[in-house]
Amino acid sequence: DTGVSQDPRHKITKRGQNVTFRCDPISEHNRLYWYRQTLGQGPEFLTYFQNEAQLEKSRLLSDRFSAERPKGSFSTLEIQRTEQGDSAMYLCASSLDAGSSYNSPLHFGNGTRLTVT
Amino acid sequence: DQQVKQNSPSLSVQEGRISILNCDYTNSMFDYFLWYKKYPAEGPTFLISISSIKDKNEDGRFTVFLNKSAKHLSLHIVPSQPGDSAVYFCAAADIKAAGNKLTFGGGTRVLVKP
Repeated sequence: DTGVSQDPRHKITKRGQNVTFRCDPISEHNRLYWYRQTLGQGPEFLTYFQNEAQLEKSRLLSDRFSAERPKGSFSTLEIQRTEQGDSAMYLCASSLDAGSSYNSPLHFGNGTRLTVT
Repeated sequence: DQQVKQNSPSLSVQEGRISILNCDYTNSMFDYFLWYKKYPAEGPTFLISISSIKDKNEDGRFTVFLNKSAKHLSLHIVPSQPGDSAVYFCAAADIKAAGNKLTFGGGTRVLVKP
């Protein structure tokens, strides 16, 4: 399977704990995105990387959130001091920026569902 | 501030008939539009897209129509099949901006009855 892979699929944690999620994009894709989806809503943009550079962060991404893509391949999303409001599905997506006007569709992973108790 | 809206949270249609899903947007900078389909416990899957220079794009049973003056797009599925039962998300992007970031609507749940 050469799609976007996310780990873990589910995470249950207690309020105040730190959690880290991993995303492995499609190998030839140079862009990687993190989105968050809550029940009944569409995915909301959090941040994106072009290779290893984090180029944009949403105002939704508080100081407790940090994302990295150290070698331009896999990415991690860490949430420190989790709160109940962080409970959501965290989706990773990747795409290929070919440098043209064509907009390569985002390919999504199956997400990590976080429950903060 | 919802820039992309899907006003129908759900839609029920008989197998073989047409499903019509609607989407409205407010940001006039959006110039690329996509539809994604999502099954439970899976991530969204890309279905079809349309650039603002077109008003129609067709791919098999799926057709997307864009009305720029009304800031409205729709997805037609003909004929609808039970396997089409899923949540459909409309998304928009300003491809002139860096990043190809997508803004999603809230989704429409489609149920196709056999």
